[in-house]
Amino acid sequence: DVQMTQSPSYLAASPGESVSISCKASKSISNNLAWYQEKPGKANKLLIHSGSTLQSGTPSRFSGSGSGTDFTLTIRSLEFEDFAVYYCQQYNEYPYTFGAGTKLELK
Amino acid sequence: EVQLVESGGGLVQPGRSLKLSCVASGFTFSNYGMNWIRQAPGKGLEWVAYISSGSSYIYYAETVKGRFTISRDNAKNTLYLQMTSLRSEDTALYYCARRSRRFSFFDYWGQGVMVTVSS
Repeated sequence: DVQMTQSPSYLAASPGESVSISCKASKSISNNLAWYQEKPGKANKLLIHSGSTLQSGTPSRFSGSGSGTDFTLTIRSLEFEDFAVYYCQQYNEYPYTFGAGTKLELK
Repeated sequence: EVQLVESGGGLVQPGRSLKLSCVASGFTFSNYGMNWIRQAPGKGLEWVAYISSGSSYIYYAETVKGRFTISRDNAKNTLYLQMTSLRSEDTALYYCARRSRRFSFFDYWGQGVMVTVSS
């Protein structure tokens, strides 16, 4: 199975700041990587797919980069609504696997 | 608006069975592959099973293969997960999620249904 190592597990930041989350795959997954946002009481939301393609409706302050084994989710100019848990997921091969998640907390 | 609503969860004893349902609305269900994904308490997300739009292709995680069966009824816009020989480690929040048309990421998720396996 492809192991997805996501870091950091926790991240504290303030509105207006920029943050980055790393996701590393145990083998090359090309650009078959998605990022999701989890918020209490809401369905998980797809933010980015294909490593860097913003899903329709995702604010432009979100960006994704990387290919192969190393990927990054960057959020510029944090807004209050961005404080949530973020997961990466590879869909290059079965079984599809997720990172352990990054909780973005308000500083 | 795309909606996925899971049901059928609850408390069940080890070794028993349970069947989850996911009713879809807001899109043409028969055109999309569907998945079950779960999250154990305090743990990360684990993909469980996939079924193609016409049920021709079905895949399972090794942890559930032989015990869980994914199926769908396109006339009823409903996805199912039949779970048998349940174990304590199957305790989790179970989500249904739609596969995008072109690629295998999950473009819409339900809010999940809780399954607790305990005596």
